[in-house]
Amino acid sequence: GQNIDQPTEMTATEGAIVQINCTYQTSGFNGLFWYQQHAGEAPTFLSYNVLDGLEEKGRFSSFLSRSKGYSYLLLKELQMKDSASYLCAALDSNYQLIWGAGTKLIIKP
Amino acid sequence: ETGVTQTPRHLVMGMTNKKSLKCEQHLGHNAMYWYKQSAKKPLELMFVYNFKEQTENNSVPSRFSPECPNSSHLFLHLHTLQPEDSALYLCASSQEGEASNEQFFGPGTRLTVL
Repeated sequence: GQNIDQPTEMTATEGAIVQINCTYQTSGFNGLFWYQQHAGEAPTFLSYNVLDGLEEKGRFSSFLSRSKGYSYLLLKELQMKDSASYLCAALDSNYQLIWGAGTKLIIKP
Repeated sequence: ETGVTQTPRHLVMGMTNKKSLKCEQHLGHNAMYWYKQSAKKPLELMFVYNFKEQTENNSVPSRFSPECPNSSHLFLHLHTLQPEDSALYLCASSQEGEASNEQFFGPGTRLTVL
């Protein structure tokens, strides 16, 4: 079956760095997405990786290892507004998104 | 209006009621989606429409009935729902044919079934 695993909840301190991991098992693979979702709001796109390696976008970076079925989202210089759920989703061979349950990130002052 | 809009934002209904959720996308996309989001569970894909044709129905109960009159509008008709159907219902759109297939989400309708 197809499956996405990510931690349920993480806590970090304002100004610090946090890494949210995601492992995936899908029928075929056409890329991995990270979305951010604030409570009561729509998920918003953060990143898309299809090739191995690190993609940096400001304070946020996303890494992919296709051979390991593994990705992580790295958030630097954490701000209180980064408190949200972070959703990992893999695109399978049919170009359907397989979603993880999300990681709730709590930022403490 | 820009992006993806959904109405109503909140809905409370009894099990015998009939209601409809509406979604509209202003992005010129050709694919639209309905998702169900329950607490601490992955997003559940319910329906996919591509160029107004339904291409995916993930074993959704018949008490949920989608309608896509054109590529910009999507409805979800609800009737005789159950309390376990209470959830956030999200609409999304994307441009099929693009490699990244990024989906743009609406704000959702928070549905409570009494």
